[in-house]
This record gives sequence, C-alpha cells and structure tokens, in this order.
Amino acid sequence: GENVEQHPSTLSVQEGDSAVIKCTYSDSASNYFPWYKQELGKRPQLIIDIRSNVGEKKDQRIAVTLNKTAKHFSLHITETQPEDSAVYFCAASTVNAGNMLTFGGGTRLMVKP
Amino acid sequence: DAGITQSPRHKVTETGTPVTLRCHQTENHRYMYWYRQDPGHGLRLIHYSYGVKDTDKGEVSDGYSVSRSKTEDFLLTLESATSSQTSVYFCAINNSPNQPQHFGDGTRLSIL
Repeated sequence: GENVEQHPSTLSVQEGDSAVIKCTYSDSASNYFPWYKQELGKRPQLIIDIRSNVGEKKDQRIAVTLNKTAKHFSLHITETQPEDSAVYFCAASTVNAGNMLTFGGGTRLMVKP
Repeated sequence: DAGITQSPRHKVTETGTPVTLRCHQTENHRYMYWYRQDPGHGLRLIHYSYGVKDTDKGEVSDGYSVSRSKTEDFLLTLESATSSQTSVYFCAINNSPNQPQHFGDGTRLSIL
C-alpha cells in the first residue's frame, strides 16, 4: 500500500522566517495531496491541497509544490507568525487504495517570537 | 466548521470492556471515516463507510468493528478493549473520495 514519509518531525524557526516541510510518497498512482494543521488539543484542519495535474498552488502565505517524478511534495509557509505554531500533516490519496488517505507522521512547527 | 459531533469526548474504561464511540454528522455526506491518532504515527484509518450499511476496513482495523444504519451516524465499537487501543479517535466526513475530509473534535479514550 501507500507509504508517506514526512520530514522533519520538528522544526523551529524565528518569526518572519520561512518554513518548509517535505513529504515523499511511494505509490505513483497517488493523485490528491492535502495538508492539515492541528493545534494542540484540536481537530486537524485542512489548510491547502493539490491534485496531481497541478505543480504548485498558493494561498496567501502558504504554498504547496508537487514533483510527481520524484514522488514528493512540500509545504512552504512564508513570513511565519507565532500562530502558525502547530503540528502539520501531509497525506496522499491513491486510486489503488480506494482513494483513502494515508498520512505522514506529522511535523511540529514552533515559531519563536 | 462542518457539522460533526463525536461522543463521548473523553472516556476512561477498563481492559476487556466493550466501548462504542459515536460520530454524528448533519452534512448529509456519503463518506465517513474513523481514524486513530498516536504520537509519531499521524492519523491511521481504522474503518470507513461509503453509504448506509456499506463499510470497509482501513489500515488498522483489527479489534474494531463499525456500523452505519443511518447516513448521519457512524459507530465505532471496541468489542473487548485493550490498553493498546488507548488513543485519540477522530471521525471525518466527505462527499466523495479525493475531496477534502473534515474532522470532528475527537474522542480521547484511555483503557486501563
């Protein structure tokens, strides 16, 4: 089945700097890649997603890039703010698994004021 | 926020007892999912449903069963709870695969 690896597991940046989180996936048939943000004790919330027919997608300070050849995708957060501190999860969906999502292990982002 | 309610929000029980968690949605979405979340493992799919009485296994289904008798309710049952099933359980919904999933607030389950 699909396997999604996420790095780094923890990331500490200074407020205003950029943060990049990377994920790799194993199934070349994967075609949908969402990113979720989870604050402590809260539900995961979708922040951005990308489909396999698109190489990049941007929403204000957040962007996601997809490299299908290398089977990896990344989350980029620019001008980080303390409220960006949370755990971020990537996921991949493949038709070979009934389009079910497989999640990465998560990245704890800490933005220092 | 999507209309998803999980109950109970917290539960402590003993090994060997049966436990049922409920997910209720008001969005009339076709698909419903149960995940467990453990440190270092992200979210892992336990079971999912693609319609009333239509369910299938996920990655970590052993020890769990589900039922969906109505569109709005998806129940997760631990027939005989074990300490390894201590976790946070999340329900999610969407209207079709490859569409964004929206999560409930979670149930924190502790099995002593």
